[in-house]
Amino acid sequence: EIVLTQSPGTLSLSPGETATLSCRASQGVSSTYLAWYQQKPGQAPRLLIYGASTRATGIPDRFSGSGSGTDFTLTISRLEPEDFAVYHCQQYGSSFPYTFGQGTKLEIK
Amino acid sequence: EVQLLESGGGLVQPGGSLRLSCAASGFMFSNYAMTWVRQAPGKGLEWVSVISGSSGITYYADSVKGRFTISRDNSKNTLYLQMSSLRAEDTAVYYCAKGRGTWINHFMDVWGHGTTVIVSS
Repeated sequence: EIVLTQSPGTLSLSPGETATLSCRASQGVSSTYLAWYQQKPGQAPRLLIYGASTRATGIPDRFSGSGSGTDFTLTISRLEPEDFAVYHCQQYGSSFPYTFGQGTKLEIK
Repeated sequence: EVQLLESGGGLVQPGGSLRLSCAASGFMFSNYAMTWVRQAPGKGLEWVSVISGSSGITYYADSVKGRFTISRDNSKNTLYLQMSSLRAEDTAVYYCAKGRGTWINHFMDVWGHGTTVIVSS
């Protein structure tokens, strides 16, 4: 089973700044089968990025994903107030079970 | 519009059983793998189980194997999770999610709003 470790646990930034979130896998994630989800309090997760770098439908271009192998990054440029949420990474490249990271909370500074 | 609507959550005693449902609409349900994901209070997401679109192949997390059963009725566009021998650590919000991609490699592109299961005496 692939273990995903997200860092930092909490990131405090101001609107307009750039957020850089990390997701590190315990072993290589094949073919960049890595997704990112955003979750706001009391809401279900929402797909942001799949295939490590492809934005889902309707996701603004200030969200970008990168990485391969064991190191992946979600970058959020020009933070808007609605971007402050918890972000989860998930790998779907190995056999089941799929696994999630523990989440990074992006909070307003 | 693609929608998933979970139901069936509630308060159950340890050792008890509960069946969750997820009603799907807006897409060809039988063509897609469906997954249950849960989130304990204040915790991250945990993948629970998956079922293939038409052949009914299933997989489970070790934490629920032997206690939970995932199934689907493609004629009713409904996904189920039968939970038995429930434990306090099963307390969570349970989400159903639609898969996109191949059977082996798919991400979850649409999620339901979740249903809450509380296991307590």
